Amino acid sequence: AQTVTQSQPEMSVQEAETVTLSCTYDTSESDYYLFWYKQPPSRQMILVIRQEAYKQQNATENRFSVNFQKAAKSFSLKISDSQLGDAAMYFCAYENAGNMLTFGGGTRLMVKP
Amino acid sequence: DAMVIQNPRYQVTQFGKPVTLSCSQTLNHNVMYWYQQKSSQAPKLLFHYYDKDFNNEADTPDNFQSRRPNTSFCFLDIRSPGLGDAAMYLCATSGTPGGYTNEKLFFGSGTQLSVL
Repeated sequence: AQTVTQSQPEMSVQEAETVTLSCTYDTSESDYYLFWYKQPPSRQMILVIRQEAYKQQNATENRFSVNFQKAAKSFSLKISDSQLGDAAMYFCAYENAGNMLTFGGGTRLMVKP
Repeated sequence: DAMVIQNPRYQVTQFGKPVTLSCSQTLNHNVMYWYQQKSSQAPKLLFHYYDKDFNNEADTPDNFQSRRPNTSFCFLDIRSPGLGDAAMYLCATSGTPGGYTNEKLFFGSGTQLSVL
């Protein structure tokens, strides 16, 4: 079974600054997907960014980028130029070949004006 | 446009009174999931459907059942809700019509269940 660990229950960042959220996972599979989801107070799960394990290039989506270290089984999310609207719970997730998603415990991100 | 729709947004039921949560999708995805998310916790997969094939997670209580009468609809039935079942229930879909691909999950906005 896969496990996903987010070691930071809470993080805080100043508006316009950069913050990195950590995620590690454990798997014996070679083909999988990794995701970061954002969950604001509305509880809607919003996909932030997606990484295919077979791709060496780190995914980027505007202000969001990842540092994917496959050998280390590490998948961190970097948010640049943080905005107040980025405040939310962030979940790292692992998807296996069968489309089964396993979530980490979440990191609550606070953005200070 | 809403693609995964969950109704109602908030549901209140009494202890032991059966309740059904509904989910519909306009994406024609073949895979549908139900997740339970308790306050300040990660979503936990309860079960999923590949088309009409039902797959139960090993630790999903028997109190939880699901139905998928067609591609578009999926229901979560809680036969005898307990106080510990109060949670947000998230429905999600994935896949492409007629095939299974590693695609992102599309989530509904969830149903917040309260048990009195």
